[in-house]
Amino acid sequence: EVQLVESGGGLIQPGGSLRLSCAVSGFTVSSNYMSWVRQAPGKGLEWVSVMYSGTGTYYADSVKGRFTISRDNSKNTLYLQMNSLRAEDTAVFYCARGVTPMGTTFYFDYWGQGILVTVSS
Amino acid sequence: SYVLTQPPSVSVAPGKTARITCGGNNIGSKSVHWYQRKPGQAPVLVMYLDSDRPSGIPERFSGSKSGNTATLTISSVDSGDEADYYCQVWDSGSDPVVFGGGTKLTVL
Repeated sequence: EVQLVESGGGLIQPGGSLRLSCAVSGFTVSSNYMSWVRQAPGKGLEWVSVMYSGTGTYYADSVKGRFTISRDNSKNTLYLQMNSLRAEDTAVFYCARGVTPMGTTFYFDYWGQGILVTVSS
Repeated sequence: SYVLTQPPSVSVAPGKTARITCGGNNIGSKSVHWYQRKPGQAPVLVMYLDSDRPSGIPERFSGSKSGNTATLTISSVDSGDEADYYCQVWDSGSDPVVFGGGTKLTVL
């Protein structure tokens, strides 16, 4: 059974840092395209970052330079290091597995339950 | 960056057909995927590659595309289909994964 379980969220002050984890079972993180997607209160889904099965990483313009995606193959876990957090980063963060058939498109077939990050003083 | 436009809300009576649209420039050249998100739950993929249904998704869900609009159609709607629905494409721009703003489906 495939499971993605996020952890590490919580309340953090503006300017602070937080690291989210996504523990995966049922498939190998390093062999898949893994992403973080977030949803701010009252807003829609927003893609945050993707890590390819190689070493490529990409970020949304809104988090570029502040967030870093990584993985630990031995723990089969995906991470999102978030620095210089802002109030507008407040959201539920989901990790998700990406599928890219023929390399011409990209979609998410498995999602975690999400973890809330609140940036507030 | 690429923009996908969805109506904020769609309302339909039980047993009727709901159609949720997703508009985008030259969307015909892109594959469109759809997600259902119920409150407090993770998003669920309900349609991929325009019109393919993942296993476990009822046949009542179908997808199509015409011109600059993709459509998710849900027939024989029931209260269990109430959710927010999001379309998504892959784009060559700076933000490659693009979601529509979401449509809240209400079953009257």
